[in-house]
Amino acid sequence: GESVGLHLPTLSVQEGDNSIINCAYSNSASDYFIWYKQESGKGPQFIIDIRSNMDKRQGQRVTVLLNKTVKHLSLQIAATQPGDSAVYFCAENMRGDDKIIFGKGTRLHILP
Amino acid sequence: NAGVMQNPRHLVRRRGQEARLRCSPMKGHSHVYWYRQLPEEGLKFMVYLQKENIIDESGMPKERFSAEFPKEGPSILRIQQVVRGDSAAYFCASSPRTGDTQYFGPGTRLTVL
Repeated sequence: GESVGLHLPTLSVQEGDNSIINCAYSNSASDYFIWYKQESGKGPQFIIDIRSNMDKRQGQRVTVLLNKTVKHLSLQIAATQPGDSAVYFCAENMRGDDKIIFGKGTRLHILP
Repeated sequence: NAGVMQNPRHLVRRRGQEARLRCSPMKGHSHVYWYRQLPEEGLKFMVYLQKENIIDESGMPKERFSAEFPKEGPSILRIQQVVRGDSAAYFCASSPRTGDTQYFGPGTRLTVL
């Protein structure tokens, strides 16, 4: 079965609010985690990544948090905009392995 | 710097025909990965190639599917004798080295009639 999964399939957020998308993983050997954004009809777009020796990493309007104790990953999007509407996938990679394992995705809806 | 290129973007085939999907990695990337995505699902790894070598094909179906990445030209994912269950979006990704971030192309959407 999948080692990466998501708590909620759909998330609706008011425009301007912050969004938090959660992800659970089960493989303790994973040491690299990535968040991808996929808009309808397009390929996954890299957003941000984090390695297991860190617990927080910030980008432009996005922050990824990693809690290795409970094997939990989250993506925080500040001041959500209409252009943030998409499906967000968390993905993991194990040291020395080449494949990325994707979760099923969370669809983010932005309410006007 | 152009991103990962895939063609065709849409491909329609009848059952029993062959499908050829092409992927040109980003400039400077020598590692290519193919993934398949069914509707409303995440991407599933199929195969990882470097120039002229298949490194990991653990996600490839045992029959009808093959992949190559020749010394010159794009990587090709080939599906022989397609069946309806092959209908999906096929994505290619590339990276400069193993373990580096993988960047994805726009995908080829295969429909088998």
